[in-house]
Amino acid sequence: KAGVTQTPRYLIKTRGQQVTLSCSPISGHRSVSWYQQTPGQGLQFLFEYFSETQRNKGNFPGRFSGRQFSNSRSEMNVSTLELGDSALYLCASSPPQGTLSTDTQYFGPGTRLTVL
Amino acid sequence: KQEVTQIPAALSVPEGENLVLNCSFTDSAIYNLQWFRQDPGKGLTSLLLIQSSQREQTSGRLNASLDKSSGRSTLYIAASQPGDSATYLCAVKQGDDMRFGAGTRLTVKP
Repeated sequence: KAGVTQTPRYLIKTRGQQVTLSCSPISGHRSVSWYQQTPGQGLQFLFEYFSETQRNKGNFPGRFSGRQFSNSRSEMNVSTLELGDSALYLCASSPPQGTLSTDTQYFGPGTRLTVL
Repeated sequence: KQEVTQIPAALSVPEGENLVLNCSFTDSAIYNLQWFRQDPGKGLTSLLLIQSSQREQTSGRLNASLDKSSGRSTLYIAASQPGDSATYLCAVKQGDDMRFGAGTRLTVKP
């Protein structure tokens, strides 16, 4: 099985712009979570989607949003970019309920976003 | 609010040495605890997951223990190898929330 894929891998934007990141989960996984990782704050949970619905949300401003499509692929969008949004954005997918490894998250390689 | 702490922040050992990484958490009412490995600039790889009802999990040279009452977990790596060099993160799940420690950067010298 192919792993979690994220595109693009690297992105450079300027302040005030918006950006969309994409995540394709492992085939058969319906839950997708997004995380932001920075040297100062570490790894922080952004939101989780399941069956096209946002199931959980972390403590981030409304500029951060996401969605999930019927094929479980997910996108996250950040509007009005700020310098502090520079980070590694990680996506993770989880196996469906009822499988032995349902609590395990499988991470993609991340998208490195630099805001200038 | 759950807080997860990992000590030390960095560790350097010679190849072949056995080592222990520590993770502590403030609220013992957790659902599970997971150890991850992260290589520079890359995503996380799940190493071991311990459910709240379990005391330890083993995979190859890795052994993770969990003591909920004291809010601690340890990751034991036996016979360390240069390929083990990476950052190791622990994460606790509590309800729908998952909180990560800042990680321990491990360097294994040949």
